[in-house]
Amino acid sequence: NAGVTQTPKFQVLKTGQSMTLQCAQDMNHEYMSWYRQDPGMGLRLIHYSVGAGITDQGEVPNGYNVSRSTTEDFPLRLLSAAPSQTSVYFCASRQREGRSEQYFGPGTRLTVT
Amino acid sequence: DAKTTQPPSMDCAEGRAANLPCNHSTISGNEYVYWYRQIHSQGPQYIIHGLKNNETNEMASLIITEDRKSSTLILPHATLRDTAVYYCIVRANYGGSQGNLIFGKGTKLSVKP
Repeated sequence: NAGVTQTPKFQVLKTGQSMTLQCAQDMNHEYMSWYRQDPGMGLRLIHYSVGAGITDQGEVPNGYNVSRSTTEDFPLRLLSAAPSQTSVYFCASRQREGRSEQYFGPGTRLTVT
Repeated sequence: DAKTTQPPSMDCAEGRAANLPCNHSTISGNEYVYWYRQIHSQGPQYIIHGLKNNETNEMASLIITEDRKSSTLILPHATLRDTAVYYCIVRANYGGSQGNLIFGKGTKLSVKP
C-alpha cells in the first residue's frame, strides 16, 4: 500500500491564482481530512469528509473548497490564492469509526507571493 | 474536545528514557488519549493511544493516571531519530466532527548525544 499520497510536494502561486492540491489513499478509509500548518504552530483542520459525497468544515475553512466523489480521493481547491494561505498542507485518512489511528501524507509546501 | 497542556520543550540524553507529560483535566469518559509525533518537515506519525489502562507497543508506553486527568508518554531508550514534536490529543472515537483531531503546539523533544 502507498498509504496517503499528496501532490505536488512544492508549489508557488501568485496572488489570485487558483490550484488544486491532490490527496489520495489506498486503504479504503472512509474519513479524510485536510490540515494546514504554519511555522511554529500545530496543525489546524481545514475541511474533512466522513465518506464519499459528504464533506464538512473544520476550524479554518475560509478560502478553501473540497469535494469527495470517490473514497480514494479528497482534493483541496484554492479558488483565489492569498499570501495568508502560504503554509504546509497535510492530508490524512482513517477508518471512520473505532479506535483507529490517522495516517498522514508527506505534505505540500505552498507559497503564495 | 478536551484541551491538553504540554511543556513546550524537553531535552533527553540518547539512550535514556524520555518521559513526556500531558495534562487533560477536562477529559470526558468517552475520550481517548492519543499521541502523535512530527519529525521535521514530515507528516505526523501515530505513536500510541489509550482509554484508561496503560498501553505499550513497539514504539512507546502510555501511562494514564487513575483519574485520567494526565498521562505520560515514555520512549524507553531515546535515539537521535526520536527528536521531534510530540502531540498529545484527546478525542472521542466517533465519526464526524467528534472524531476530529485537534492539535496543540506539542512538546519539542530534543535527544542529545
